[in-house]
Amino acid sequence: GAGVSQSPRYKVAKRGQDVALRCDPISGHVSLFWYQQALGQGPEFLTYFQNEAQLDKSGLPSDRFFAERPEGSVSTLKIQRTQQEDSAVYLCASSSGRGISQPQHFGDGTRLSIL
Amino acid sequence: GIQVEQSPPDLILQEGANSTLRCNFSDSVNNLQWFHQNPWGQLINLFYIPSGTKQNGRLSATTVATERYSLLYISSSQTTDSGVYFCAVFMNYGGSQGNLIFGKGTKLSVKP
Repeated sequence: GAGVSQSPRYKVAKRGQDVALRCDPISGHVSLFWYQQALGQGPEFLTYFQNEAQLDKSGLPSDRFFAERPEGSVSTLKIQRTQQEDSAVYLCASSSGRGISQPQHFGDGTRLSIL
Repeated sequence: GIQVEQSPPDLILQEGANSTLRCNFSDSVNNLQWFHQNPWGQLINLFYIPSGTKQNGRLSATTVATERYSLLYISSSQTTDSGVYFCAVFMNYGGSQGNLIFGKGTKLSVKP
């Protein structure tokens, strides 16, 4: 499709397990962002890639969170040793420009539930 | 950090009514987007509007950056307009590359 694609759509994991969430941005989009959305709240920034370079990871809540975009296209957000407070919707967005120059387009998100 | 405040937090409309949603922000921003998050959780771009006025069908938006606010107008509301409307601003400072700062949203319910 033409939009941002995220998988899986839903993920249930036991506390302590590792999870990996995938994002396929719109083809050719330079910028890729990850956000976390808690129930009833607006999305909050986690990290930003420009091509394969991770230029901003100031929003990652702990060192258990790791993101990569090795070839400048698909990105993976990995959470190690998951905890219950990691339960949230994880949203990926991409943009054709660098930084603020173009609007961000969002995927449908991955709903993560930690039991 | 920058604060983004949206009002009202909740809004109930009868189908066919008009409404205005407001977004205030506490500092200078370089850009602003409005989104609609539908009941299925999809976040849909409505407007990318650093200043001025844009219209798209029954929706229009106005941003007055110098006065630090933006307005979203919905006319002749329909039940499919229900969901949460988010305002998000671009904050561009030394360490940032353009991540969005979201408000808490306005939850809109349109009754038939």
